[in-house]
Amino acid sequence: DGGITQSPKYLFRKEGQNVTLSCEQNLNHDAMYWYRQDPGQGLRLIYYSQIVNDFQKGDIAEGYSVSREKKESFPLTVTSAQKNPTAFYLCASSGTSGDLITDTQYFGPGTRLTVL
Amino acid sequence: EDQVTQSPEALRLQEGESSSLNCSYTVSGLRGLFWYRQDPGKGPEFLFTLYSAGEEKEKERLKATLTKKESFLHITAPKPEDSATYLCAVRAFSGGYNKLIFGAGTRLAVHP
Repeated sequence: DGGITQSPKYLFRKEGQNVTLSCEQNLNHDAMYWYRQDPGQGLRLIYYSQIVNDFQKGDIAEGYSVSREKKESFPLTVTSAQKNPTAFYLCASSGTSGDLITDTQYFGPGTRLTVL
Repeated sequence: EDQVTQSPEALRLQEGESSSLNCSYTVSGLRGLFWYRQDPGKGPEFLFTLYSAGEEKEKERLKATLTKKESFLHITAPKPEDSATYLCAVRAFSGGYNKLIFGAGTRLAVHP
C-alpha cells in the first residue's frame, strides 16, 4: 500500500534535548512538508522540500532543522532552541506540477511530541 | 493578511440532521481550496479540492461548494461515523511561495 509513515507515534523529550521525527513516503512524491498542529489553531508550516537536497523554511522554522537526502525521507529535528515544542507534528507529501499550484497534499498519521 | 476562518468551532447534530460547515477566506490569488477530515490523534484525510467559484464536489453524504469568498461543506443525513474535525485550507501565493493556509477546523459530533 502506498502511503506516508511517521515514527514514533509518541515522543517525550527532556529539556535541552534534540529529537528527530521520522517521515517516509512510498508515493513517489517529489514534495514533502512538515506542519505543526496546536489545539485551536490551524496547521502551520515548518519546512518544505520540493526536491531532493533542497528545502525551504516555512512560517515557523526557528528551532527546527530538516534534511532531504532521499526522495522517500524527510526527517525533522526539534532542537533545544525550540522554546515550546509540545505539539502534534504532521508530515505531508505531494506530487509537483512546476510550482505546486494544483497538487494535493496527503498527510501521515502524525507524531505527538511532549516535553517533560 | 491571508486568512482562513471556519465556523462554527464545534457543531453537535442528531443523526439524520443535515447542516453546513463554513470556511471563509481572504487571500490574494486563490489557487485551490481543500477540505480534509481529521479524526482524533490522526493525520488529516483528503476529501475535496475546489478551484473556481460555482464548483461543487460530492462524496457520499458530503458536498462541498465554493464562492468567491467562502466554501461550504454540506452534510446530508449525517451518521455517527461522520464525527470528526473538518479542516479547510486554501492555497495561495504568500511570503514568496505557494502555501496552504489552514483554518482551525470545525469539530463535528453526530449523536445517534
